[in-house]
Amino acid sequence: NAGVTQTPKFRVLKTGQSMTLLCAQDMNHEYMYWYRQDPGMGLRLIHYSVGEGTTAKGEVPDGYNVSRLKKQNFLLGLESAAPSQTSVYFCASSYGLAEFSYEQYFGPGTRLTVT
Amino acid sequence: DAKTTQPPSMDCAEGRAANLPCNHSTISGNEYVYWYRQIHSQGPQYIIHGLKNNETNEMASLIITEDRKSSTLILPHATLRDTAVYYCIVRIRGGSEKLVFGKGTKLTVNP
Repeated sequence: NAGVTQTPKFRVLKTGQSMTLLCAQDMNHEYMYWYRQDPGMGLRLIHYSVGEGTTAKGEVPDGYNVSRLKKQNFLLGLESAAPSQTSVYFCASSYGLAEFSYEQYFGPGTRLTVT
Repeated sequence: DAKTTQPPSMDCAEGRAANLPCNHSTISGNEYVYWYRQIHSQGPQYIIHGLKNNETNEMASLIITEDRKSSTLILPHATLRDTAVYYCIVRIRGGSEKLVFGKGTKLTVNP
């Protein structure tokens, strides 16, 4: 049981390049999330999904797109990277049912630098 | 979701209890108090949550005041591995389960 995994762990992009971050979970969770964390700050929600085929905007969605084609995977895309998107990106998942939904499980993070 | 206020940093001696306070004076009746922590560079980790009763698990205890306007997370015997940023989050349980993270409290456990 790997929990929540993220690919890649590190990436350096040039301004204007695109990339996709992959999040995978093997806990059969309904809900999945993408957060970003800037230095000295708490996490901020980018997008989230409450089930396969559904996505919704979080607090800071601009410049990002997401897809949830399979229940176990949640992809975060940057179409045209900007230096302001330099950050650590965390994926998380949770059951989504009231009784079991209090805990979010987080991945190890992806460190992205945009030059 | 209600806003929370935490001290930016605290120190604790190894082996002693660490008491981390959180103010949430605007909490509503159906909002829970959650605690997560983030050890350096890692993803946040769930610790405990509660509504109005005190709660205890293998990691920590959560004490919520009777008026629910504040709470305290207690690590009974802090170790060096407990050095982390601790986040107090208040939110309604259910729905999209979104968490709103503040800046948290940086707890340093000293040998």
